[in-house]
Amino acid sequence: ETGVTQTPRHLVMGMTNKKSLKCEQHLGHNAMYWYKQSAKKPLELMFVYNFKEQTENNSVPSRFSPECPNSSHLFLHLHTLQPEDSALYLCASSQGDSTRTGELFFGEGSRLTVL
Amino acid sequence: GNSVTQMEGPVTLSEEAFLTINCTYTATGYPSLFWYVQYPGEGLQLLLKATKADDKGSNKGFEATYRKETTSFHLEKGSVQVSDSAVYFCALSDLSGTYKYIFGTGTRLKVLA
Repeated sequence: ETGVTQTPRHLVMGMTNKKSLKCEQHLGHNAMYWYKQSAKKPLELMFVYNFKEQTENNSVPSRFSPECPNSSHLFLHLHTLQPEDSALYLCASSQGDSTRTGELFFGEGSRLTVL
Repeated sequence: GNSVTQMEGPVTLSEEAFLTINCTYTATGYPSLFWYVQYPGEGLQLLLKATKADDKGSNKGFEATYRKETTSFHLEKGSVQVSDSAVYFCALSDLSGTYKYIFGTGTRLKVLA
């Protein structure tokens, strides 16, 4: 496999469920990201990790819990979500070098529906 | 802070028409600039990028030039096709401490046969 892979592609969960989204990158990058994309709203940055360390938490509610065990894997643990959390969750990676000339590589997203 | 402003959509064009999607930015320093495209049901794909002033990024007939004096990075294509229908996002790399990328709100393009 190449690029950035996200699983599952689709997820339906109740408000009391606990589920996780998984992201894996095969590009040798050191920075990984979670973005939220809702209908009619701008792309929202949620979390940034660089070399497994969290460098950005964009005031995300605690019902979203990220985990980055190594530079190739990123998880988003979901617990007691609300219907307004229904969205497309996009994972991305980048080289994370100091020049900032490299681009983000995105996965195809996990479509989450909270009932 | 850094920001990206894109023209509101949707933009509706006939096939073979000329396309311009405006993008302006506010940033400290000299960020890299990007255009991404998102087709229905998919993630974002890099379309083109420019890493310094006066650079022109190009790909698949699309072009954009990094204009420092006007802080702009407008996307153009001379002749659009139905298959170009998608959402286009302008973005910049944030040069502050974290490895952030700032995105515009996206512009939906519809091309009619």
